[in-house]
Amino acid sequence: AQKVTQAQTEISVVEKEDVTLDCVYETRDTTYYLFWYKQPPSGELVFLIRRNSFDEQNEISGRYSWNFQKSTSSFNFTITASQVVDSAVYFCALSEAWNTDKLIFGTGTRLQVFP
Amino acid sequence: DTGVSQDPRHKITKRGQNVTFRCDPISEHNRLYWYRQTLGQGPEFLTYFQNEAQLEKSRLLSDRFSAERPKGSFSTLEIQRTEQGDSAMYLCASSLGAAANEKLFFGSGTQLSVL
Repeated sequence: AQKVTQAQTEISVVEKEDVTLDCVYETRDTTYYLFWYKQPPSGELVFLIRRNSFDEQNEISGRYSWNFQKSTSSFNFTITASQVVDSAVYFCALSEAWNTDKLIFGTGTRLQVFP
Repeated sequence: DTGVSQDPRHKITKRGQNVTFRCDPISEHNRLYWYRQTLGQGPEFLTYFQNEAQLEKSRLLSDRFSAERPKGSFSTLEIQRTEQGDSAMYLCASSLGAAANEKLFFGSGTQLSVL
């Protein structure tokens, strides 16, 4: 069965701190896709990244970086030098190749960045 | 590109009433998705359309729920005989492309409260 676990319900940091959001997934499929979405207070989810199961290269985009490790079924997200505008709920999601038309979301991690 | 728009933003109704939500996807996006999100949870897939064809429905979608996308543009989600358990945020998303696993563009959602 497919499942995404985000064990951290809420994280609070002070501006400029680095923070890592954890994501652990379960799937029987060998081909799958992993995503991160951000949900600010306005409510609309905003796409951050998509990674397929064959690409384990870590990725960096500005202050954001992602660490994909198939050996531990994890796809963690790090924000470097956090800012108040990073405050939001972050969701990790999984899509399997055999069932590619829906995303399985984790329960999300609420990040609060204080000035 | 005006983004995905949903109407209304908020809906309060009494148990047993019917409600209808509308979603206008980004122009030219051929795929349209409905998700439901309850407090403290990640979005859960309900159904999706490719153009006007409804290709998948979740088991979450009881007989009281019906979705349409008559001309392959906007979509409506109707809930008949609402129950308190239907209270949730209903999110619409769209994507472009023949393949799945493309990034989704979400609307801000319709918050339904059933009294």
